Amino acid sequence: AQKITQTQPGMFVQEKEAVTLDCTYDTSDPSYGLFWYKQPSSGEMIFLIYQGSYDQQNATEGRYSLNFQKARKSANLVISASQLGDSAMYFCAMREVDNAGNMLTFGGGTRLMVKP
Amino acid sequence: DVKVTQSSRYLVKRTGEKVFLECVQDMDHENMFWYRQDPGLGLRLIYFSYDVKMKEKGDIPEGYSVSREKKERFSLILESASTNQTSMYLCASSLPTGFFSPLHFGNGTRLTVT
Repeated sequence: AQKITQTQPGMFVQEKEAVTLDCTYDTSDPSYGLFWYKQPSSGEMIFLIYQGSYDQQNATEGRYSLNFQKARKSANLVISASQLGDSAMYFCAMREVDNAGNMLTFGGGTRLMVKP
Repeated sequence: DVKVTQSSRYLVKRTGEKVFLECVQDMDHENMFWYRQDPGLGLRLIYFSYDVKMKEKGDIPEGYSVSREKKERFSLILESASTNQTSMYLCASSLPTGFFSPLHFGNGTRLTVT
């Protein structure tokens, strides 16, 4: 079974509008961490935001916020006031406690395109 | 700032060739990783290493090997390249512990096997 599922292969959003990128995850570990990365066309992977499973509040970093719904096992990324530079691939990823190497498991990604 | 450097941005090799992808990080990170990225599949872990000379298989190790002789360098080896190994390869490093320990990635190597 997929551990991280991103159901939107591609999305359009109008500049200055907010957009939500979906991510659902599957784990039986009580402790885990969730990450979002951005990959522009240049190829670099840029870390955006992190949410721990025991964090009481939803994470926020500037225009990025994470809508964490633990019971539903979802960790959606919300980008407010979209900018043209937000056009990129976005990946959701998870780290589980039973993970000797500290690796991340990634979803298939969502391509976001911001329209002027 | 952590810097992870991959030696080649683009690489074209022939079927059957032995291919080396090199990765160097400058932050003294214990953990290093090799992922491959394919459209619709996201990033899949090939191998990782949590110490010098230590290596562990990831989800898709077949057809690959790795070498970590020094802490800062982690090499991915394709013993006999095949066309189904045409892909984007991403190297990453991180600190060894803690949930909040993001992976720091290199810019990737786009490998084409003809």
